[in-house]
Amino acid sequence: QQQVKQSPQSLIVQKGGISIINCAYENTAFDYFPWYQQFPGKGPALLIAIRPDVSEKKEGRFTISFNKSAKQFSLHIMDSQPGDSATYFCAASTDKLIFGTGTRLQVFP
Amino acid sequence: NAGVTQTPKFQVLKTGQSMTLQCAQDMNHNSMYWYRQDPGMGLRLIYYSASEGTTDKGEVPNGYNVSRLNKREFSLRLESAAPSQTSVYFCASSGVFETGVGNTIYFGEGSWLTVV
Repeated sequence: QQQVKQSPQSLIVQKGGISIINCAYENTAFDYFPWYQQFPGKGPALLIAIRPDVSEKKEGRFTISFNKSAKQFSLHIMDSQPGDSATYFCAASTDKLIFGTGTRLQVFP
Repeated sequence: NAGVTQTPKFQVLKTGQSMTLQCAQDMNHNSMYWYRQDPGMGLRLIYYSASEGTTDKGEVPNGYNVSRLNKREFSLRLESAAPSQTSVYFCASSGVFETGVGNTIYFGEGSWLTVV
């Protein structure tokens, strides 16, 4: 049973556009929701994270929106750049992380 | 800083062969993890070790064994490799979960394993 559902599987965005990746979770005990970014041939690395007591967190061009009642959270990448092309994973945890299936983002000039 | 180092980077095995993936971290972290990454499946936890001397099964432990050799090292063993174990394996580590901060997991660069 997949505890964290992520969509879309792939996303193509033009440079300067907004990239939006969505995740939904089932376990209401989850209390930490990070996003990881992975470039080809590398391991994932923490991008940004949020806790359920806030509805939004922004770091530069990256924003997490969190809807506790709907059990959904999303990553918004503003002014998307070719260097943002990577695979993005949402995750949720209590004591250990459960990852979504990943979204491959391609940003074209 | 090396962070999380795993070896080997690439390995081809024949069905039935055994091998051990090695992992070491230099961040003095208590917790260590082994994940596998498959297309369309994301990252799935195989085993984890919350502290030295303890190990626990994750989502997909069948066909694997682990050893937490000391605080720094956490190895993953395939006793009798099967084609279904063809995957990219990631070792990771994390410190203590901090209230209000969370628990950042740091990943190694991966080990590409092919079982033929």
